[in-house]
Amino acid sequence: DSGVTQTPKHLITATGQRVTLRCSPRSGDLSVYWYQQSLDQGLQFLIQYYNGEERAKGNILERFSAQQFPDLHSELNLSSLELGDSALYFCASSRGGHNEQFFGPGTRLTVL
Amino acid sequence: AQTVTQSQPEMSVQEAETVTLSCTYDTSESDYYLFWYKQPPSRQMILVIRQEAYKQQNATENRFSVNFQKAAKSFSLKISDSQLGDAAMYFCAYRRDDKIIFGKGTRLHILP
Repeated sequence: DSGVTQTPKHLITATGQRVTLRCSPRSGDLSVYWYQQSLDQGLQFLIQYYNGEERAKGNILERFSAQQFPDLHSELNLSSLELGDSALYFCASSRGGHNEQFFGPGTRLTVL
Repeated sequence: AQTVTQSQPEMSVQEAETVTLSCTYDTSESDYYLFWYKQPPSRQMILVIRQEAYKQQNATENRFSVNFQKAAKSFSLKISDSQLGDAAMYFCAYRRDDKIIFGKGTRLHILP
């Protein structure tokens, strides 16, 4: 158990809908990262927050947005969903800087 | 731009034998971190080992060790005494500051 929690574990929805994925980092970790992993693909970095502020942006679509709240939990919002958005979405946390990231169990999103 | 390349999409090794997974990366930086992550069928991302670029000594964690060749920009993972539980997807990752890049992964099969 990495100490990072993600909810829900599974999400099934329809095209055009909007969903919110939630992540709680490990106690004491200020950085939260979001990744997308499509079937049999590597991890695509989406976005990072540090202590409530956006720190880095990767290949995140404009239909996707994220935020980190004062209690350091983070939410990833996916809107106008398309079939191609079906993937495993990981959240990871770290103390910041060069420290390793600890990953949550992921949320499997299926768009029908 | 930094890149991480894992040239072996799949590998197989006999149980109890030793296997080496390759990873090369491209960067113009001198200070960075490298990681190997394991993703078993459960899809959980598990940190296996980390290496600081400023350290010449190769990192070791029990049966897992790395061969870090900074000049060649190579970071291979050696797994000794392979066990059935080592079967997984292995990802090499490069990190400098807030930027982290993952390779596409190597799927490791353990033959009983």
